[in-house]
Amino acid sequence: AQTVTQSQPEMSVQEAETVTLSCTYDTSESDYYLFWYKQPPSRQMILVIRQEAYKQQNATENRFSVNFQKAAKSFSLKISDSQLGDAAMYFCAYRSASPGAQKLVFGQGTRLTINP
Amino acid sequence: DADVTQTPRNRITKTGKRIMLECSQTKGHDRMYWYRQDPGLGLRLIYYSFDVKDINKGEISDGYSVSRQAQAKFSLSLESAIPNQTALYFCATSVRGPYNEQFFGPGTRLTVL
Repeated sequence: AQTVTQSQPEMSVQEAETVTLSCTYDTSESDYYLFWYKQPPSRQMILVIRQEAYKQQNATENRFSVNFQKAAKSFSLKISDSQLGDAAMYFCAYRSASPGAQKLVFGQGTRLTINP
Repeated sequence: DADVTQTPRNRITKTGKRIMLECSQTKGHDRMYWYRQDPGLGLRLIYYSFDVKDINKGEISDGYSVSRQAQAKFSLSLESAIPNQTALYFCATSVRGPYNEQFFGPGTRLTVL
């Protein structure tokens, strides 16, 4: 079974600085998808960024980018120019690319605090 | 605006009571899911449904049941609630596709006393 591990329960960063959240996963599959979700205090789960395992190029969405290291099974999220609105719980998630696979496997989450 | 809604948003109940959590979506998605979130554990899949006639168990289905009343509605029931079912419950939807990106509702916070 696949597992996702976020080893940093909490992180903090000064506003306008850059922060990197770590995520590692364990799988025997070669094709899969990885996601970062943001959960602000409103509780809503919001997709931040996604990556296909067969793509070597790291995904980027505005101030959010990932460092995908397939051999190391690592998928970190970098937030540049941190803003107060980035404060939230961040969850890393994995989904198999096997036909019929539906389950998202989530990590435990990292609580990110932005200091003004 | 197309959305995923959950009712109620918060619920407090007693051990042994039957509880139903409801999910509705206007996204037109055929796939719907129920997840449970516990502190330090992330989200775990309870049940999922590909269409009205297709219901599948997730990793933690014991103590729960579901009903897909229509393409847009997917309900989660706790037949006899127990305290360790206290959690935040999320409904999600998706369409068939390579990413199968899942869109989440606002969550229901359930407390079982």
